[in-house]
Amino acid sequence: GDSVTQMEGPVTLSEEAFLTINCTYTATGYPSLFWYVQYPGEGLQLLLKATKADDKGSNKGFEATYRKETTSFHLEKGSVQVSDSAVYFCALRGNAGGTSYGKLTFGQGTILTVHP
Amino acid sequence: DAGVTQSPTHLIKTRGQQVTLRCSPKSGHDTVSWYQQALGQGPQFIFQYYEEEERQRGNFPDRFSGHQFPNYSSELNVNALWLGDSALYLCASSLNGRAYEQYFGPGTRLTVT
Repeated sequence: GDSVTQMEGPVTLSEEAFLTINCTYTATGYPSLFWYVQYPGEGLQLLLKATKADDKGSNKGFEATYRKETTSFHLEKGSVQVSDSAVYFCALRGNAGGTSYGKLTFGQGTILTVHP
Repeated sequence: DAGVTQSPTHLIKTRGQQVTLRCSPKSGHDTVSWYQQALGQGPQFIFQYYEEEERQRGNFPDRFSGHQFPNYSSELNVNALWLGDSALYLCASSLNGRAYEQYFGPGTRLTVT
């Protein structure tokens, strides 16, 4: 079945540091890939998405590129802020018509803490 | 425009009891999905409802059941609660055919003692 693996956390950075959170996946066909963010006390928010190979999703300075050859969707940001402190989840949705269509499969999450 | 709302916010139950959680989707959305998020884990898909029917189901036992009403709101019912059912239960809504745009509610924190 589908699965998502995220890098072990937590990740602690100083403000303006470069961020990478690794994500790899296993799925049949051509899934869509997502990054969600969960701020303390809030629900999940979609951060960015990519629906086909080589697509780059971007939002709020975050980027991730859909790499089918390495089955990866790593999240990057050039300069993090204290306000980026949150839990980040990588997720996939199976391709249309497959049994996982409509269902999101999540990784275990990575806690990011940014210090001033 | 109200987003996804869930009630109650927190709930404490005893083993063996039954619980009902409620979700109102974002305005205009017709599809509701439920997820269970254990502490320190990613959300796990429970099931999805569309047109008042369960359309897709994850690997959860029959103790977990749901319902969708004509106004698209939804309930999640869990019978014979176990300690392991303690988790944050998330509801997500979307428009049929645009499942990649799922909007999540803040969740209901269920504690089973």
